[in-house]
Amino acid sequence: GDSVTQMEGPVTLSEEAFLTINCTYTATGYPSLFWYVQYPGEGLQLLLKATKADDKGSNKGFEATYRKETTSFHLEKGSVQVSDSAVYFCALSPFSGGYNKLIFGAGTRLAVHP
Amino acid sequence: DVKVTQSSRYLVKRTGEKVFLECVQDMDHENMFWYRQDPGLGLRLIYFSYDVKMKEKGDIPEGYSVSREKKERFSLILESASTNQTSMYLCASTLPGGHEQYFGPGTRLTVT
Repeated sequence: GDSVTQMEGPVTLSEEAFLTINCTYTATGYPSLFWYVQYPGEGLQLLLKATKADDKGSNKGFEATYRKETTSFHLEKGSVQVSDSAVYFCALSPFSGGYNKLIFGAGTRLAVHP
Repeated sequence: DVKVTQSSRYLVKRTGEKVFLECVQDMDHENMFWYRQDPGLGLRLIYFSYDVKMKEKGDIPEGYSVSREKKERFSLILESASTNQTSMYLCASTLPGGHEQYFGPGTRLTVT
């Protein structure tokens, strides 16, 4: 079945460091791909998305490119801030998912220190 | 502004109790979802609903049921709570064909 695998955390970085969180997926057809973020004490919110191969999603300085050849959707940010500390979830929506079901990875906790 | 609310942020119940978790959205969304979130497992889909009175099982429906009597409200029911149902429960909603899901803040349920 469809699945998402993302790197285990926690990831600990100093402010202004470069961030990469790896995400790979297994799916039939052409899923849509997402990154959601969960700040402490809150629900998830959409960070960015890509709906077809080679699309780049971007938001708040974060970027991810839909790579069909490597079945990956890695999250990157050039310079992290303390306020980026959160849990990040990679997710996919199956191509045939008429009800927009999402399949999530396990989540990666990011801690950014001043 | 988009809004999904859940009835409680924290809940403590005893084993065997019947538990109701309520979710309300004000966006007129057809699709609503219940997930549980556990460390190392991410979010797992319990049930979803694509219309009033319609429901579908997700990946882990055992021990749960749902109710959707009105479009804006989707309830998760634990018929007889057990300690392995201690978890964070998240509700979400979306429009048909629209992939972004909007999440509530979650209910942290502890069953003792």
